Amino acid sequence: AQSVAQPEDQVNVAEGNPLTVKCTYSVSGNPYLFWYVQYPNRGLQFLLKYITGDNLVKGSYGFEAEFNKSQTSFHLKKPSALVSDSALYFCAVRPNTGGFKTIFGAGTRLFVKA
Amino acid sequence: ETGVTQTPRHLVMGMTNKKSLKCEQHLGHNAMYWYKQSAKKPLELMFVYNFKEQTENNSVPSRFSPECPNSSHLFLHLHTLQPEDSALYLCASSQDGISGGPGNTIYFGEGSWLTVV
Repeated sequence: AQSVAQPEDQVNVAEGNPLTVKCTYSVSGNPYLFWYVQYPNRGLQFLLKYITGDNLVKGSYGFEAEFNKSQTSFHLKKPSALVSDSALYFCAVRPNTGGFKTIFGAGTRLFVKA
Repeated sequence: ETGVTQTPRHLVMGMTNKKSLKCEQHLGHNAMYWYKQSAKKPLELMFVYNFKEQTENNSVPSRFSPECPNSSHLFLHLHTLQPEDSALYLCASSQDGISGGPGNTIYFGEGSWLTVV
């Protein structure tokens, strides 16, 4: 079965420190990979996506993600965390076989402490 | 402003009520989605419409009835819901081809919080 795993329910970092939110997937072929962020009482906001090309993708708010095909991972990173980055982060994968299904991970809550 | 507008933002309804959630997208997209987000569960895709035609129904109970009159509007009609249907319902849209496009980004609305009492 196709799946997306976000192994950490919560990640805690101090402001100014680098952050990583992990994502691995089990989807056949060459899927397309996304990160979304959800602030309290809001919908999901698109951060970045990987389609093809450079394994390091840059997105909104200083976030970037690194694609690793051999490890089927797509970890979200930021060099210096801000308190305002505290939110719920979702990794998502869309198979390249057409159709409209996007598979979402369960989400990782990021808490950045001042 | 995400380009996808959902109303109402909050809805409390009894189990015997009939209500509707409304979604409108201003992005010129042709595909629209309903997702259900419950606490500590992955997002659940409920329905997909592409060019006003339903392309996905993820075994959703018939007490949820979608309607897509055009590519910009999507409704979710609710009838005789159960307390376990209480959740955040997210509408989304994307620019997709007839058969869908794997690289296309889905854009979400702010969601409608539904409480069934």
